[in-house]
Amino acid sequence: SQQGEEDPQALSIQEGENATMNCSYKTSINNLQWYRQNSGRGLVHLILIRSNEREKHSGRLRVTLDTSKKSSSLLITASRAADTASYFCATLKAAGNKLTFGGGTRVLVKP
Amino acid sequence: EPEVTQTPSHQVTQMGQEVILRCVPISNHLYFYWYRQILGQKVEFLVSFYNNEISEKSEIFDDQFSVERPDGSNFTLKIRSTKLEDSAMYFCASSDRGRDYQPQHFGDGTRLSIL
Repeated sequence: SQQGEEDPQALSIQEGENATMNCSYKTSINNLQWYRQNSGRGLVHLILIRSNEREKHSGRLRVTLDTSKKSSSLLITASRAADTASYFCATLKAAGNKLTFGGGTRVLVKP
Repeated sequence: EPEVTQTPSHQVTQMGQEVILRCVPISNHLYFYWYRQILGQKVEFLVSFYNNEISEKSEIFDDQFSVERPDGSNFTLKIRSTKLEDSAMYFCASSDRGRDYQPQHFGDGTRLSIL
C-alpha cells in the first residue's frame, strides 16, 4: 500500500459516540498531520504530531503516533453532526516539505 | 484567523487552452505549495516554492506546469496546454517554516474542468 493509508475507508456513528480512524505509512517521517475536508471544500488542518511525540490532544481530538509500527490514530470524542467530513492523514518526510496524503476516512455522524 | 484564498472557485476551460490559477497565501508565510485532487482520488503534491524558486516538484509537474510569485502577495499555477486529465481540484497551501514542524494551511481550492 502507499504512504498514508487510512482505515476504515468509511465510518458511520451516532452523535455522542467516539470515532476512531487509523493511518499507516511506509517511510520515516518528520511529522504526521491530520486534516478534515468537508464536501467540496478545502483541507482544514486539525493537528500535527512530531515523530518524537507519542500522543497529542486538541479539544475533542486525540492523536497517537507509533513510529515503530508506522501508524497513527485519530480519535474524535463525543462526536457531533458537524464532524461529518472526510479525514486525511498526511506525512512529512525527514527531508523535503511535501505532504503525502492517504485516501481518507469518510465519517458520517448521524443526529 | 488568516486564510489562504484561491480564485476562481471554478474554472471551465477548453482542452488545449492555457489556464492560470491564483492564490494569495497567508501573508507572513514563506513556503508555498500546489496540490491537486482528482475526483475520488488522493490529494497529490505538485510543487513547493521558496525564496522565489521551486524547491521540490513531483512527476506530475511536467513542462506544461509553471509557478510564479509575480508580486509580494500572489502565487500562481499555470497550465500551458490543458488536457482532459488535468480536470481536478487544485489546492494552494502555505506554511511558515521559519520554525520547524509548522502545518500547511490550505485554501478552498479551484475546481478545474477541462472540456
